[in-house]
Amino acid sequence: AQSVTQPDARVTVSEGASLQLRCKYSYSGTPYLFWYVQYPRQGLQLLLKYYSGDPVVQGVNGFEAEFSKSNSSFHLRKASVHWSDSAVYFCVNSNNRIFFGDGTQLVVKP
Amino acid sequence: EAAVTQSPRNKVTVTGGNVTLSCRQTNSHNYMYWYRQDTGHGLRLIHYSYGAGNLQIGDVPDGYKATRTTQEDFFLLLELASPSQTSLYFCASSPGGIYAEQFFGPGTRLTVL
Repeated sequence: AQSVTQPDARVTVSEGASLQLRCKYSYSGTPYLFWYVQYPRQGLQLLLKYYSGDPVVQGVNGFEAEFSKSNSSFHLRKASVHWSDSAVYFCVNSNNRIFFGDGTQLVVKP
Repeated sequence: EAAVTQSPRNKVTVTGGNVTLSCRQTNSHNYMYWYRQDTGHGLRLIHYSYGAGNLQIGDVPDGYKATRTTQEDFFLLLELASPSQTSLYFCASSPGGIYAEQFFGPGTRLTVL
């Protein structure tokens, strides 16, 4: 069955540190995968997407994600976080249906 | 200029009340969506449409109707609101169905007392 799991409800990192937000998907074929960010009191905005090709995809604001078919994962990374990255991040799988993960709240400490 | 707008931004109603949430997009997209977001959870699809007069059922449609009057306008109707429908509602548009990037409105917070 199709699903998306974000195992970390909340991640806290210090400004300037590196970041990884985890996402596991369940889909037997080639998945359509997205990462969206939700800033306080705003709608979701696309960070990046993966359909096929290079498993490392670049997004906006220095974010990237790596697709792994063997691990059924699509983890989001950033080399150095800024306080303004504090937000909720959603992993999404769109194939036959659209599934949102429950989100990971990122807190960046000064 | 915001490409997807929603109104109202906040709404309080009573159980059994009648509520209409409005969404307008200026992206010239064919697809529009209504989602609900409950605290600590991801978005869940209520209804969507791929053009004026079209309506498709999403994953959590019970208690909701929707109508797409024009390419720009998509409405969500709660005819007998219940406390379980207290939630944050998002509208989105996209050029090409669920495989394409979606552009979200700012959300409407609905409270049913």
